[in-house]
Amino acid sequence: NAGVTQTPKFQVLKTGQSMTLQCAQDMNHEYMSWYRQDPGMGLRLIHYSVGAGITDQGEVPNGYNVSRSTTEDFPLRLLSAAPSQTSVYFCASSYTGSRGGDGYTFGSGTRLTVV
Amino acid sequence: DAKTTQPPSMDCAEGRAANLPCNHSTISGNEYVYWYRQIHSQGPQYIIHGLKNNETNEMASLIITEDRKSSTLILPHATLRDTAVYYCIVRALNSNSGYALNFGKGTSLLVTP
Repeated sequence: NAGVTQTPKFQVLKTGQSMTLQCAQDMNHEYMSWYRQDPGMGLRLIHYSVGAGITDQGEVPNGYNVSRSTTEDFPLRLLSAAPSQTSVYFCASSYTGSRGGDGYTFGSGTRLTVV
Repeated sequence: DAKTTQPPSMDCAEGRAANLPCNHSTISGNEYVYWYRQIHSQGPQYIIHGLKNNETNEMASLIITEDRKSSTLILPHATLRDTAVYYCIVRALNSNSGYALNFGKGTSLLVTP
């Protein structure tokens, strides 16, 4: 089925551990992004990419790293997990990003708890 | 991007039309109105968008006032599965606010039996 696939769906980390959240899309979308959603805070942009080999920071990039080696994949790496990174993470993609009038497709989310 | 104002919550009886308002009085001529919804524990879902003409798709209708200062998302026959938080987002092509979608707090719609 076409869409955005995120793995894992749930993850518990210990403080200081690192991990990678995976995001893949099969719609040949140029634009991909990562958001985090905290209770009462809404969705906040972490990092985004406008195409393979191009990434940039969003509103809350600290503690996260991204790369975009292929059009399909956009992994998010937590370098050294902290309790403040406990959140729900969403990956989104679109054909043209904010430069176009099309909608974004979101994944189902990764629920991360850092203890 | 223009600021949007939505009521925090609304109720709707199942089978009736749900009309969700959004105020965007400072909207610019090149800014589109987008609607998304987020069902509990799921990722946001794109519903519809428009510039100045009314739009309709299989999910909903979007009515934009002639002066474009407000809009209404209409779910013609609400079902229990339409219970969600609905977000109205206004942004332009080549938005100078970058790539972030500003979801705000949205309207929590509860559809009751």
